[in-house]
Amino acid sequence: GQNIDQPTEMTATEGAIVQINCTYQTSGFNGLFWYQQHAGEAPTFLSYNVLDGLEEKGRFSSFLSRSKGYSYLLLKELQMKDSASYLCAVPSGAGSYQLTFGKGTKLSVIP
Amino acid sequence: DGGITQSPKYLFRKEGQNVTLSCEQNLNHDAMYWYRQDPGQGLRLIYYSQIVNDFQKGDIAEGYSVSREKKESFPLTVTSAQKNPTAFYLCASSAETWSSYNEQFFGPGTRLTVL
Repeated sequence: GQNIDQPTEMTATEGAIVQINCTYQTSGFNGLFWYQQHAGEAPTFLSYNVLDGLEEKGRFSSFLSRSKGYSYLLLKELQMKDSASYLCAVPSGAGSYQLTFGKGTKLSVIP
Repeated sequence: DGGITQSPKYLFRKEGQNVTLSCEQNLNHDAMYWYRQDPGQGLRLIYYSQIVNDFQKGDIAEGYSVSREKKESFPLTVTSAQKNPTAFYLCASSAETWSSYNEQFFGPGTRLTVL
């Protein structure tokens, strides 16, 4: 089965950099997704990593290490609107298109 | 504009009543999903469907039922057998059912409160 761990909550200051970690255990790795979810709203796709390394997309970057079962989401130049939950998700097994989601990390950005 | 719609956004029901949540997509996606989200919890899969007239139970299917008569529609019924139905319900869809890249697109959600 799949097991995903993320910190429950984090707080960071506007303009700063924050790193949100995700560790996972899965049978048959098929990539890792990050989603952003504002309170009371739908999750929206941020990134997808299937190979080791860093993927940069504007202020957001996502890193993957398959050997360590580890990923992180890096948010730079934090803005108040970045206050949201960040969900890590992996496909539910080899060849599966279902996703198993972590419980999410609630990020609060303070002035 | 393509997307996923869920209605209504807020729904109140009395205990013991069945209620059906609507989910419609015009993205031409084959796969559709229903998730439940409780405060401080991640998304938990209730049911999913790969193709019309076929659906599978997810991790927490007890007390729920679905149908997939059309590609665009995947309604979820919360039955009186569901012991704790008050939650935020999210519908999603995805295009690729054979590759690992399976970005799911989510509807705006329905917040169900059972009184």
